Amino acid sequence: KAGVTQTPRYLIKTRGQQVTLSCSPISGHRSVSWYQQTPGQGLQFLFEYFSETQRNKGNFPGRFSGRQFSNSRSEMNVSTLELGDSALYLCASSLSPSGGPNTGELFFGEGSRLTVL
Amino acid sequence: AQSVAQPEDQVNVAEGNPLTVKCTYSVSGNPYLFWYVQYPNRGLQFLLKYITGDNLVKGSYGFEAEFNKSQTSFHLKKPSALVSDSALYFCAVSPRGYGNKLVFGAGTILRVKS
Repeated sequence: KAGVTQTPRYLIKTRGQQVTLSCSPISGHRSVSWYQQTPGQGLQFLFEYFSETQRNKGNFPGRFSGRQFSNSRSEMNVSTLELGDSALYLCASSLSPSGGPNTGELFFGEGSRLTVL
Repeated sequence: AQSVAQPEDQVNVAEGNPLTVKCTYSVSGNPYLFWYVQYPNRGLQFLLKYITGDNLVKGSYGFEAEFNKSQTSFHLKKPSALVSDSALYFCAVSPRGYGNKLVFGAGTILRVKS
């Protein structure tokens, strides 16, 4: 069974640009979460989607947004990029949304490494 | 607010010896607790979780974790370490009802030497 697929794996942008990252969850998984990983702040939760609805949101500015499609694939968008947005963005899928029987059992992709110059 | 502390940046242990990776947490109410592992050039992998019940939780690859409510700790343990266990280990917590919204610790590098 294929794992979580994230594209692109690497990308370089300049300040002020925007970026869209894509995530395909494991087949049958309807919950998708996004995390940002940086050396300074570690792993931080961005948002969670289930059945095309945002279920939870982390403490990130409105420049960070996401959506989920009817096939459970998800995208996140960062607008007006800043140097501090350079990070590894991780997508994770789960059988259950928060509160469900498999809650917290996340399957992570390998991430999209964003560099902002 | 929830928080997780992993007091050791790195733990070194000889192969065959028992290992412990420490984790303490702060969260209101009864939390969900998790351990994840990140191998070099690979994604994060779920190891085990505590929801309720027995304080000793068993997970993948022979790992187990002990929940201690009075000490607000959730230490990861393994009776006999393998060189292949060398990786970055993360403890995480979430409040009930927000299970997929994990708050991660900073991580502990485990080095197992032969």
